[in-house]
Amino acid sequence: DVVLTQTPPTLSATIGQSVSISCRSSQSLLHSNGNTYLHWLLQRPGQSPQLLIYSVSRLESGVPNRFSGSGSGTDFTLKISGVEAEDLGVYYCVQGTHAPWTFGGGTKLELK
Amino acid sequence: QVQLQQSGAELVKPGTSVKLSCKASGYTFTSNHMNWIKQTTGQGLEWIGIINPGSGGTSYNVKFKGKATLTVDKSSSTAFMQLSSLTPEDSAVYYCARGTIMDAWGQGASVTVSS
Repeated sequence: DVVLTQTPPTLSATIGQSVSISCRSSQSLLHSNGNTYLHWLLQRPGQSPQLLIYSVSRLESGVPNRFSGSGSGTDFTLKISGVEAEDLGVYYCVQGTHAPWTFGGGTKLELK
Repeated sequence: QVQLQQSGAELVKPGTSVKLSCKASGYTFTSNHMNWIKQTTGQGLEWIGIINPGSGGTSYNVKFKGKATLTVDKSSSTAFMQLSSLTPEDSAVYYCARGTIMDAWGQGASVTVSS
């Protein structure tokens, strides 16, 4: 199975600070069809996960544009440009290129 | 708007089975696959499998073959997951999530396996 390694496991930030989360894959996530199925989720405390970014860099409808995704192959990054209080929670990367789909271990974003 | 309404919490005994439901609304049920995901504190998020509501076709994580069975009822726009031969290791929160990009999630269903 593809292993997704997220760093850091915990991230402390102040409101307005910009932060980045890394997701590294044990295999290239470039599918034979040319697409890369690497997505980012946020799970707020007590809630279900929600989709933020899909296919590396595409912003899900309704998600603020302070969120952005980048990367290719095995290295991917989620950036939040100006953290807001509502952004606190656990961020997960997930890949759907190789079966079975797998998730990263999560990065907990907390207030400093 | 798209909504996935899951059935409630379950407390079940080891060796028994449980069937969870996920009722979809706000979109054409047969137009999107449905995933099932397991969440535990120890193992994090694990993908169980996916079903095509239109055809009934399924794909499972090998780890959950024989444990989980995915079905749908198109008449009620509901997806189901049956978990069999339950052990304490099956205690978790189970989510349904829509489509190949998981763009909508149910609220989760807690399953506790205990004698």
